[in-house]
Amino acid sequence: GNSVTQMEGPVTLSEEAFLTINCTYTATGYPSLFWYVQYPGEGLQLLLKATKADDKGSNKGFEATYRKETTSFHLEKGSVQVSDSAVYFCALSDHEGGSEKLVFGKGMKLTVNP
Amino acid sequence: DVKVTQSSRYLVKRTGEKVFLECVQDMDHENMFWYRQDPGLGLRLIYFSYDVKMKEKGDIPEGYSVSREKKERFSLILESASTNQTSMYLCASSSSGSLGGELFFGEGSRLTVL
Repeated sequence: GNSVTQMEGPVTLSEEAFLTINCTYTATGYPSLFWYVQYPGEGLQLLLKATKADDKGSNKGFEATYRKETTSFHLEKGSVQVSDSAVYFCALSDHEGGSEKLVFGKGMKLTVNP
Repeated sequence: DVKVTQSSRYLVKRTGEKVFLECVQDMDHENMFWYRQDPGLGLRLIYFSYDVKMKEKGDIPEGYSVSREKKERFSLILESASTNQTSMYLCASSSSGSLGGELFFGEGSRLTVL
């Protein structure tokens, strides 16, 4: 079945450091890809998404490009802030069986120190 | 502001008790989901529903049941709670018309079974 593999961490960075969180997927067909973020004490919220190959999603300084040839959707940010401390989940939309649901990676906890 | 509301943020129950977790959304979404979140395992889908009175099993339905009597409300039921059901439970909803299945999450219900 469809699956997502992502870096698990935890990762600790200093403010203004460069961030990359790797995500690769296995899927039949052409899924949509997502990054969700969970801030401390909150539920998940959508950070960005891409619905087809070569699409780039971006939000709050984060970017990810849908790479069909490498089945990847790596998340990047050029300069992280303390407020980016959170857990990040990569996900794909699963259309198997005629229903649509999201399949999530295991999540990666990021801590950014001042 | 759109919202998914989970009735209890924290619950403590005893082994063998019947537990109800309630979720209400105010976005008129057709689809609703229950996930559990555990460290190192990410989010795993328990049950989902695409319409009133309809339900489908997710990846880990054993020990759980659900009820969807009204469009806005989706309840998760633990018929006889066990210690291995201690977890964070996340409810989510989405519109059938949304491209790529974007989910909106509640803040979560942390259940401890003693």
